[in-house]
Amino acid sequence: SQKIEQNSEALNIQEGKTATLTCNYTNYSPAYLQWYRQDPGRGPVFLLLIRENEKEKRKERLKVTFDTTLKQSLFHITASQPADSATYLCALDSNYQLIWGAGTKLIIKP
Amino acid sequence: DTGVSQNPRHKITKRGQNVTFRCDPISEHNRLYWYRQTLGQGPEFLTYFQNEAQLEKSRLLSDRFSAERPKGSFSTLEIQRTEQGDSAMYLCASSLEGQGSATQYFGPGTRLLVL
Repeated sequence: SQKIEQNSEALNIQEGKTATLTCNYTNYSPAYLQWYRQDPGRGPVFLLLIRENEKEKRKERLKVTFDTTLKQSLFHITASQPADSATYLCALDSNYQLIWGAGTKLIIKP
Repeated sequence: DTGVSQNPRHKITKRGQNVTFRCDPISEHNRLYWYRQTLGQGPEFLTYFQNEAQLEKSRLLSDRFSAERPKGSFSTLEIQRTEQGDSAMYLCASSLEGQGSATQYFGPGTRLLVL
């Protein structure tokens, strides 16, 4: 069956360090993968999109990698700040819709 | 504000009642999606529209759920004979198909509580 897995346990990181979140998938061949941020009680907010022919994408302190052989994407936040605390969701395209992981809660401690 | 808006933001209803939610997408976006999200889970696809046409509906969606997008602008999602299991956050998103990006822009959601 098709599956997207993200760490279900919260990730606690010290302020200033790099946070790394993982998204693994099986039985998909997505053309692209997206990362979103979601704060409590709000809708997801788009952060980055990476295509299958791209290995890495950067935006300010954010970096995403995409390994279609390993079927894995890594999401990095460098120089993390308490304001980065949120749930981060990965999503894969499947024809007309996005298929979502359950998200990983990131907590940045001052 | 030109983002996606949803109304109401919160709805409390009794089991068996009907509820209707509204979504106003970003004006130039031709695709509109409805999702349901429960605590600790990612959004679950319900249905989507391209302009006014409803092109897909999740097999998980019972016939108590119906959605419309008259004139290809705003959309409504109606749940008839609500059940306690319908309690969730209902999210609407829109996107512009054909721009080389499938980025979806989400509204703030409508939180439904069925008592």
